[in-house]
Amino acid sequence: AQRVTQPEKLLSVFKGAPVELKCNYSYSGSPELFWYVQYSRQRLQLLLRHISRESIKGFTADLNKGETSFHLKKPFAQEEDSAMYYCALLDNYGQNFVFGPGTRLSVLP
Amino acid sequence: DVKVTQSSRYLVKRTGEKVFLECVQDMDHENMFWYRQDPGLGLRLIYFSYDVKMKEKGDIPEGYSVSREKKERFSLILESASTNQTSMYLCASSLPLLVNTATDTQYFGPGTRLTVL
Repeated sequence: AQRVTQPEKLLSVFKGAPVELKCNYSYSGSPELFWYVQYSRQRLQLLLRHISRESIKGFTADLNKGETSFHLKKPFAQEEDSAMYYCALLDNYGQNFVFGPGTRLSVLP
Repeated sequence: DVKVTQSSRYLVKRTGEKVFLECVQDMDHENMFWYRQDPGLGLRLIYFSYDVKMKEKGDIPEGYSVSREKKERFSLILESASTNQTSMYLCASSLPLLVNTATDTQYFGPGTRLTVL
């Protein structure tokens, strides 16, 4: 069965420091991977997808099939990046969509 | 652990049928949400509820309604199913903002893949 793990419940970094939110998945096929973000008092929103290979708000994520990982990175964290981040997987049939448990990122001044 | 369950993993209906998608959570959460996920698109919020008998429209409420008669149950209703409502539907729940420090943690159900023929 598909599974998404995010080992850190809470990640605290200082402003300007690099940040990496870890995501690992288990799936035998070729999934589509996503990162979603929820800022305080706002709705869940899509941050980026691995197939678009884009950088949103300075964040990037590379799919590593060998390590089955899709870690989210940003070289210099900002206070406004503080939010809840969810990694998610969609199987290659578009049948199952699985969320990780989420990581709360807290960027300290 | 929080458990969010959805009544069906797979559902096939015909155009014009009335469809009920049920979601139940066992952690006494006030907030419940219904999303749909389509290939190539992000998760889109259909409706959410902050309390029993309360409902708020999300980003794409057209063609849907909801019911929250009990705190643990949040139902999504398609009054007259159409083929463009073929999608993966995800339910989620969370605690209210003022209660929990991890206020934005949403717990998701396994999803229901609905096919409308």
